[in-house]
Amino acid sequence: SYALTQPPSVSVSPGQTATITCSGDELGDKYASWYLQKPGQSPVLVVYRDSNRPSGIPERFSGSNSGNTATLNIEGTQATDEADYYCQAWDTNTVVFGGGTKLTVL
Amino acid sequence: QVQLQESGPGLANPSQTLSLTCSVSGVSISSGGNYWSWIRQHPGKGLEWIGYIYANGNTYYNPSLRSRVIISLDTSNNQFSLKLSFLTAADTAVYYCARDSTPDGIAAAGYFDYWGQGTLVSVSS
Repeated sequence: SYALTQPPSVSVSPGQTATITCSGDELGDKYASWYLQKPGQSPVLVVYRDSNRPSGIPERFSGSNSGNTATLNIEGTQATDEADYYCQAWDTNTVVFGGGTKLTVL
Repeated sequence: QVQLQESGPGLANPSQTLSLTCSVSGVSISSGGNYWSWIRQHPGKGLEWIGYIYANGNTYYNPSLRSRVIISLDTSNNQFSLKLSFLTAADTAVYYCARDSTPDGIAAAGYFDYWGQGTLVSVSS
């Protein structure tokens, strides 16, 4: 079955750029989406179809997808960005989520 | 504004069948372009897709759960439901319903833009 792999944790200093990766076989040939989830809350879509931002999501969230890796970048990271981040893609009529990355803003 | 709300028992017995309902407002579940999904999250763990149903009733399930899952539509009440049978403690999780949006009808390009608040289901005798 198809699998998406994320680093378990990423740390970033306030104001710096956080980069979270998501790896999967030929992921660049699929669409990737990203979600953030804060404790006790439902996930929130932050990037869809590789690089699109829903309304209400700050411009500092951006995404890309090429080869075997999709990437979520958060520029000017703020303390409020601390959360778990999940990538997601479709494969053969099924939905796959990455294992999640805990972003810590130090 | 699209809203989703899960409902169902917070406690279930092992070996029994769990029934959850997702009430949808702001959009008709009969309209095309949306896949109505169930997703769960074990305590302290990541997201696990359970399955989805399309407006025409077509369903797709996570292969690991397929033998125990049924997702159905109730268009008269604008709801969709999950039944998960043969419960074990491993099914203890927060269960979310969500809309998988495919504005251009391309399922493989879908994304979850609206989520319910989630409902915690504990499986225990």
